[in-house]
Amino acid sequence: GAVVSQHPSWVICKSGTSVKIECRSLDFQATTMFWYRQFPKQSLMLMATSNEGSKATYEQGVEKDKFLINHASLTLSTLTVTSAHPEDSSFYICSASLRPGWGGMAQPQHFGDGTRLSIL
Amino acid sequence: SQQGEEDPQALSIQEGENATMNCSYKTSINNLQWYRQNSGRGLVHLILIRSNEREKHSGRLRVTLDTSKKSSSLLITASRAADTASYFCATSTQGGSEKLVFGKGTKLTVNP
Repeated sequence: GAVVSQHPSWVICKSGTSVKIECRSLDFQATTMFWYRQFPKQSLMLMATSNEGSKATYEQGVEKDKFLINHASLTLSTLTVTSAHPEDSSFYICSASLRPGWGGMAQPQHFGDGTRLSIL
Repeated sequence: SQQGEEDPQALSIQEGENATMNCSYKTSINNLQWYRQNSGRGLVHLILIRSNEREKHSGRLRVTLDTSKKSSSLLITASRAADTASYFCATSTQGGSEKLVFGKGTKLTVNP
C-alpha cells in the first residue's frame, strides 16, 4: 500500500516552455504532499508543502510564480514549472503522507519515482 | 538548520559484510527516518524511529538513535549487491504530516 505515482518520469523541452508534473497517491488520501528538487549527487531540497484545498507553503528562496503548485484533491498535486529555462533542469520528486496516526504520531513519507526535467 | 549530516559520504564493501552509516543533526526532533534511493529513482522509506525510542529493527536493518548526541546509525547486516544505493536520514521536528529535512546521504556500493 501507500503508492505514489509521479508523471511524467522524463521531460525534455525547449526553453520557455511550461511543464506540468503530476503527483498522485494511488491508494490513500494525502492531505499533505511535498515537492523536492534534487541536483546530481546531492540531497533533496524541499521546495514547497502542498496542502489540499489551500495555498502551498514555499521554502525560502523558491519562486512561487515560477513553481506553481495546485493540490485540488486528496489524491493529486501538480507542480508547474513556468517558462522553464536550462537552470531549471533538475530531478523533481514528490512525496505524500498519510494522515497522522493516533495522537498525531508521525507517518513516513511515500515518494514518487521522480521526474527528470531537461530544458534545452 | 537542522540538516542531517551522514557519514561516510561513500562506502564500498563486499557482499556479506555489514554496512554502518551515521547521521548527525542539530536541533531537537520528533522523529528520524531513513530512506534509500536507487540511482535516478524516488526514495523508499526504510525505518522511522521516534525520539523516545533508542533502537529499531526491520529485517536486516537496525537503526539506533541517541538524542543526547543528536545522532543515529543505520546498520545493514549481511549486505547484498541489491543494497547498493544512496541512503539518507531525514529529521522531523513534529509528528504528523510535517516536512522532513534530509541529510546529504551516504552512497553505498556492495560489490558481488
